[in-house]
Amino acid sequence: AQTVTQSQPEMSVQEAETVTLSCTYDTSESDYYLFWYKQPPSRQMILVIRQEAYKQQNATENRFSVNFQKAAKSFSLKISDSQLGDAAMYFCAYRSAWNSGYALNFGKGTSLLVTP
Amino acid sequence: EPEVTQTPSHQVTQMGQEVILRCVPISNHLYFYWYRQILGQKVEFLVSFYNNEISEKSEIFDDQFSVERPDGSNFTLKIRSTKLEDSAMYFCASSEWAGELFFGEGSRLTVL
Repeated sequence: AQTVTQSQPEMSVQEAETVTLSCTYDTSESDYYLFWYKQPPSRQMILVIRQEAYKQQNATENRFSVNFQKAAKSFSLKISDSQLGDAAMYFCAYRSAWNSGYALNFGKGTSLLVTP
Repeated sequence: EPEVTQTPSHQVTQMGQEVILRCVPISNHLYFYWYRQILGQKVEFLVSFYNNEISEKSEIFDDQFSVERPDGSNFTLKIRSTKLEDSAMYFCASSEWAGELFFGEGSRLTVL
């Protein structure tokens, strides 16, 4: 089974600064998807960004970007110009491209605190 | 914008009682999922459902759990005889295919 590791239980960043959240994963598959989900205190998980493993170009969504290193099995999330609303739990997740269940495997999460 | 809806938002039950958690996935989605999150811990996969049958399930999803799509819209998770350790937030999700999952706001289950 694929495992997803987030080694930073908590991170803190000042408003307007940049922060990087780390994620590594273990898989023997060559085709898969990687995601970062945000879970604010309201509980619902919301997709932040996704990356298809076959794409070499790193995904970006406004202030959010990833550094996808396929050989190193690393998938970090960079948040630029951090805002108070970015404070949340962030989960890295892996999904097989061919598994019939298409279930997400989540990491344990990183709690991001944004200070004024 | 279409969303996944879950009911109830919070349920308190006695140990040994049956519980049914309900979900309405996004209407054109084909895959449905249940996850759970024990307070402060990681989000754990329970089961995925496609074409009216379970396509994958985790070790957590034992005989006490079942899922059903009784009509064209609802997707339910039943826990037959709840245990204290079933206390958690249960999330329903749906997806079109192998793309992103859309999650509901969760149902908090408290077993006393």
